[in-house]
Amino acid sequence: DGGITQSPKYLFRKEGQNVTLSCEQNLNHDAMYWYRQDPGQGLRLIYYSQIVNDFQKGDIAEGYSVSREKKESFPLTVTSAQKNPTAFYLCASRTLAGTEAFFGQGTRLTVV
Amino acid sequence: QQQVKQSPQSLIVQKGGISIINCAYENTAFDYFPWYQQFPGKGPALLIAIRPDVSEKKEGRFTISFNKSAKQFSLHIMDSQPGDSATYFCAADRAGANNLFFGTGTRLTVIP
Repeated sequence: DGGITQSPKYLFRKEGQNVTLSCEQNLNHDAMYWYRQDPGQGLRLIYYSQIVNDFQKGDIAEGYSVSREKKESFPLTVTSAQKNPTAFYLCASRTLAGTEAFFGQGTRLTVV
Repeated sequence: QQQVKQSPQSLIVQKGGISIINCAYENTAFDYFPWYQQFPGKGPALLIAIRPDVSEKKEGRFTISFNKSAKQFSLHIMDSQPGDSATYFCAADRAGANNLFFGTGTRLTVIP
């Protein structure tokens, strides 16, 4: 089955730690996205990538980093510079000419 | 700056009633307006979408009404069911854009 897989589903981070969220897709989509979801704020774009080895900052990129070494994979690292990382993180993908975005099941990150 | 404004933030409807969620946008270059449905702990999934060359699109109990001159569009859920209880996001997109612009979401609760 084609789709987007995010892992882990739940993640706990200690203060000062970096953590990496995984996102893999087998839809052969060129464009991939990371969103952060907080109650009452909708989906805010962190980073996006339209091609391997290239990515762009979204609206709230500070404290986050990404890589796109393979078309299928777009991992997100939440660094210690992100002061309020507790949130639900969503990865999405779509074709460059497409419209529908396909989302993963999300990763809930909690700082402990 | 919120590109797409959505209201209400939450909505409670009796089973069998009509649920109405409204969105407004500013950028007249937008040419694709999807609605996404999200269940708790899951990623959003495309529900229905419309392009501005039509004023209405219906799929089962779900209808999008589009008013190009007012730059507004709305989602109507007829005969609302408890299984429709979810968060709904409107969005806007344009050809060549790097990102879907999402509204802040509406949490719908349908009570039996």
